[in-house]
Amino acid sequence: SQQGEEDPQALSIQEGENATMNCSYKTSINNLQWYRQNSGRGLVHLILIRSNEREKHSGRLRVTLDTSKKSSSLLITASRAADTASYFCATVLYNQGGKLIFGQGTELSVKP
Amino acid sequence: EAGVAQSPRYKIIEKRQSVAFWCNPISGHATLYWYQQILGQGPKLLIQFQNNGVVDDSQLPKDRFSAERLKGVDSTLKIQPAKLEDSAVYLCASRRGGAQETQYFGPGTRLLVL
Repeated sequence: SQQGEEDPQALSIQEGENATMNCSYKTSINNLQWYRQNSGRGLVHLILIRSNEREKHSGRLRVTLDTSKKSSSLLITASRAADTASYFCATVLYNQGGKLIFGQGTELSVKP
Repeated sequence: EAGVAQSPRYKIIEKRQSVAFWCNPISGHATLYWYQQILGQGPKLLIQFQNNGVVDDSQLPKDRFSAERLKGVDSTLKIQPAKLEDSAVYLCASRRGGAQETQYFGPGTRLLVL
């Protein structure tokens, strides 16, 4: 079964609003990563947060990690229509060769 | 820097036929992954190479799937014979260094088995 579970499965917002996606996982992690996938395309790496970090920012993206709750959230501020995509969290476990274990993803739709 | 290249982009075959996918990772990236992504799901790792050696193939259906990376650069993934449930996007990714580094993904090959 997948390590990560994402919530919500789908999210529809208006341009300019903030979008928050959540990810929960089951076992201790080395790091957690967020990826974006536009329809019919490959995955684009957004941000990596290590297990000893609590928050990271990259442009309009803010990621938090709570290892006690085994959860992470991705916040996209001031969303744009171009942010419409599927967003996946992926965990990297210790001693697993760095392989990514993906959640099911959140499908984000940003309406202009 | 050129990204991860994959071909073909699309493939339609009938069940029981065979098919092969090709991946050229980013130059200098020692680690190469193949993932399978079924519609509506997240990618699932099939196999991981470190140079030309297999690190993890625990989720590769070895009765029908095979993969190789003979010279530690390009890789091919083969399915023989294909089943309907193999319809998916096959993604190749590569990474330069350790587990903390980013994996870079190719555009994927979309396979439809009829």
